[in-house]
Amino acid sequence: AQSVAQPEDQVNVAEGNPLTVKCTYSVSGNPYLFWYVQYPNRGLQFLLKYITGDNLVKGSYGFEAEFNKSQTSFHLKKPSALVSDSALYFCAVRDRRLGTGFQKLVFGTGTRLLVSP
Amino acid sequence: DAMVIQNPRYQVTQFGKPVTLSCSQTLNHNVMYWYQQKSSQAPKLLFHYYDKDFNNEADTPDNFQSRRPNTSFCFLDIRSPGLGDAAMYLCATSRDVGTGGQPQHFGDGTRLSIL
Repeated sequence: AQSVAQPEDQVNVAEGNPLTVKCTYSVSGNPYLFWYVQYPNRGLQFLLKYITGDNLVKGSYGFEAEFNKSQTSFHLKKPSALVSDSALYFCAVRDRRLGTGFQKLVFGTGTRLLVSP
Repeated sequence: DAMVIQNPRYQVTQFGKPVTLSCSQTLNHNVMYWYQQKSSQAPKLLFHYYDKDFNNEADTPDNFQSRRPNTSFCFLDIRSPGLGDAAMYLCATSRDVGTGGQPQHFGDGTRLSIL
């Protein structure tokens, strides 16, 4: 089964500093990987995805993620953190049910990002 | 601009009293999902509709049902809510084009409380 792991429950960073939120994956076949962000009392918002192509994927709000096949990682990064980036971040991988066209997302446990002023 | 709309945002019901949560979308997406999310945990998929075809996750309790009368609307029915069903319920949509990789678009959820 496809899975992703987010090893950090929380990441703390000062405003203006670079941030990294870690994600590793375990899949059979080629991974389809996603990052979502969730603000308090809101739904998940799509940030970016990797399907194929360049290993560095650029997304919304200045976020980017680096796909590393040898390390089976897909870390989320931003060069300069903002206080408003404080939120819950979920990594996800596509899981396709064999014999059907159905695809679903398998989410990691989430990482809370706290950016201090 | 809201594309996936969930009503109500907050719902309080009594233990054992049936409750219905609603979701509508303006994206004309063919796939709609219902997730349960507890206490900032990862969302847990309950079921989804691919057009009119209903697909249940194996571990979704029978207490949870869903209806999709048309492309735009989808409902989550909880027949006899228990205290353990208190959670945020998220609706999401996606456009399945066969190649995969389409992102899901989420509503802002309905927070369900059980008295």
